[in-house]
Amino acid sequence: EPEVTQTPSHQVTQMGQEVILRCVPISNHLYFYWYRQILGQKVEFLVSFYNNEISEKSEIFDDQFSVERPDGSNFTLKIRSTKLEDSAMYFCASIVDTNNSPLHFGNGTRLTVT
Amino acid sequence: KQEVTQIPAALSVPEGENLVLNCSFTDSAIYNLQWFRQDPGKGLTSLLLIQSSQREQTSGRLNASLDKSSGRSTLYIAASQPGDSATYLCAVTGSSNTGKLIFGQGTTLQVKP
Repeated sequence: EPEVTQTPSHQVTQMGQEVILRCVPISNHLYFYWYRQILGQKVEFLVSFYNNEISEKSEIFDDQFSVERPDGSNFTLKIRSTKLEDSAMYFCASIVDTNNSPLHFGNGTRLTVT
Repeated sequence: KQEVTQIPAALSVPEGENLVLNCSFTDSAIYNLQWFRQDPGKGLTSLLLIQSSQREQTSGRLNASLDKSSGRSTLYIAASQPGDSATYLCAVTGSSNTGKLIFGQGTTLQVKP
């Protein structure tokens, strides 16, 4: 069965550094998402992306965050200048359409900011 | 603002028991509700999706119900097995149907052999 794949599985970075988290959504899916889960807290929506543009973003997704689909397969989340509070598990997800199709999640990237 | 709550936060049962996990949401204007399973250090796996017009969905030993008007859903697991041990998350999509999910905090289930 097709899967959403995320790399790396774990990323350690120093505060103030830029990080790029990478995702390969399922090939025929059209909608892409980033969620995050801070340890012990709920999974939170960050951003949705459709037709090569952001369709919705949460208040967490400030100017430090950006997303890009640089080619036909990759979907990236960039954090420009990481903060300690950015430490979390970041999940990429995709869906074929929004008509009651289940969301498919990747295994996540654990980001640790020191 | 939609809020999703799951009770209990943790549950431990002996193998073979039937059990019910609860989910409630504050805004009944939802498009659908999904139940996910999360294993430690892993992603989320969709178990069941209930459309807003449906009352329940079944998959194997799992049955999910939806009472939209009261803002409640339950996940029933029959004849629980140690392999069912995981965190179960409930999430709703708003009526505007952007695909964005609002999650509950999850119920961590331990099934003891």
